[in-house]
Amino acid sequence: KAGVTQTPRYLIKTRGQQVTLSCSPISGHRSVSWYQQTPGQGLQFLFEYFSETQRNKGNFPGRFSGRQFSNSRSEMNVSTLELGDSALYLCASSSSSFTAYEQYFGPGTRLTVT
Amino acid sequence: GDSVTQMEGPVTLSEEAFLTINCTYTATGYPSLFWYVQYPGEGLQLLLKATKADDKGSNKGFEATYRKETTSFHLEKGSVQVSDSAVYFCALLIIQGAQKLVFGQGTRLTINP
Repeated sequence: KAGVTQTPRYLIKTRGQQVTLSCSPISGHRSVSWYQQTPGQGLQFLFEYFSETQRNKGNFPGRFSGRQFSNSRSEMNVSTLELGDSALYLCASSSSSFTAYEQYFGPGTRLTVT
Repeated sequence: GDSVTQMEGPVTLSEEAFLTINCTYTATGYPSLFWYVQYPGEGLQLLLKATKADDKGSNKGFEATYRKETTSFHLEKGSVQVSDSAVYFCALLIIQGAQKLVFGQGTRLTINP
């Protein structure tokens, strides 16, 4: 089974721009979660999608948004980029069965805002 | 709120030494507990998990036991290798109509030959 894939792997953007990151979950997985990893704040939960619905959202400003498509692929968008948005953005997928709530992570997208 | 506290790193050991990385948690209800490992330039890999009290998760020589009475999930390995050098994250999974992982701050482990 192919793992979680994320594109692009690296991005450099300028303050004020917007960016869209993509995540393809493991085949059959319907839940997709996004996390931000920074040296200062560690790993922080952004949001979780299941069957195209956002079920949970972390404590991030409205500039951070996401969506999920019918094939479970997900995108997250950050508008009006700030220097502090520089981070590794990780996507994780999970199946819907109770006994398999492990989250499997992709390699991440490293975003640098200049 | 729900939180995870890991022992501060970095931790440096010699090859074949015994490893313990402490992890304690605060949570309402009965969360599942996980250890993830992150190698340089990569995402997180699931190392092991435990879903209820007294469960022992194990993988690749690593073990951790879910201790409800001490709210702990310490990671152990009897004999570490250079290839175990990485950052280790303890996490708890909250399921309240949705899934959310809460992570500790991570512990950087370096194994010297």
